[in-house]
Amino acid sequence: DSGVTQTPKHLITATGQRVTLRCSPRSGDLSVYWYQQSLDQGLQFLIQYYNGEERAKGNILERFSAQQFPDLHSELNLSSLELGDSALYFCASSVGSKTEAFFGQGTRLTVV
Amino acid sequence: DQQVKQNSPSLSVQEGRISILNCDYTNSMFDYFLWYKKYPAEGPTFLISISSIKDKNEDGRFTVFLNKSAKHLSLHIVPSQPGDSAVYFCAASPNNAGNMLTFGGGTRLMVKP
Repeated sequence: DSGVTQTPKHLITATGQRVTLRCSPRSGDLSVYWYQQSLDQGLQFLIQYYNGEERAKGNILERFSAQQFPDLHSELNLSSLELGDSALYFCASSVGSKTEAFFGQGTRLTVV
Repeated sequence: DQQVKQNSPSLSVQEGRISILNCDYTNSMFDYFLWYKKYPAEGPTFLISISSIKDKNEDGRFTVFLNKSAKHLSLHIVPSQPGDSAVYFCAASPNNAGNMLTFGGGTRLMVKP
């Protein structure tokens, strides 16, 4: 158990819909990261928050957004969903920069 | 453009022998490297890391070697155990972007009893 909690574990939704994925980082970790793992793209970095502020942005679509709340949990919002958004979405957390990131179990999103 | 590459999609090793997993990178801004292990339907599990100021880091059965001039790192597992069978990802982080990790495509390691 990494200490990073993601909910829900599975999500099935229709195209055009909007979903919210939730992540609780390990106790004491200020940084939260979101990654997408799809069959054809592998594990790709989406976005990082550090203590409530956006720190780095990767290949995140404009239809996707994230935020980190004062209690340090984070949410990833995916809107106008397309079939190609079906993937595993992982959240990770770390104490700070240049320290190992610990991953949650992931949320499997299926868009039908 | 794949900045982190694991050219071997799979590797099969006999129990007790050494497993060597390789990783190449192209971005000279990477200064922190990590190896993760992943089982199906689970998140990646951190194994070992190395900073660019070192060329070797060891933790129990796991050793990571970094060759900066060749932009190459490797993970050695000695001795290999059947429980090590999983997909191994190398990841790299640039020195100007916090801990944003770029992952390789993974190598599936199978350790035969």
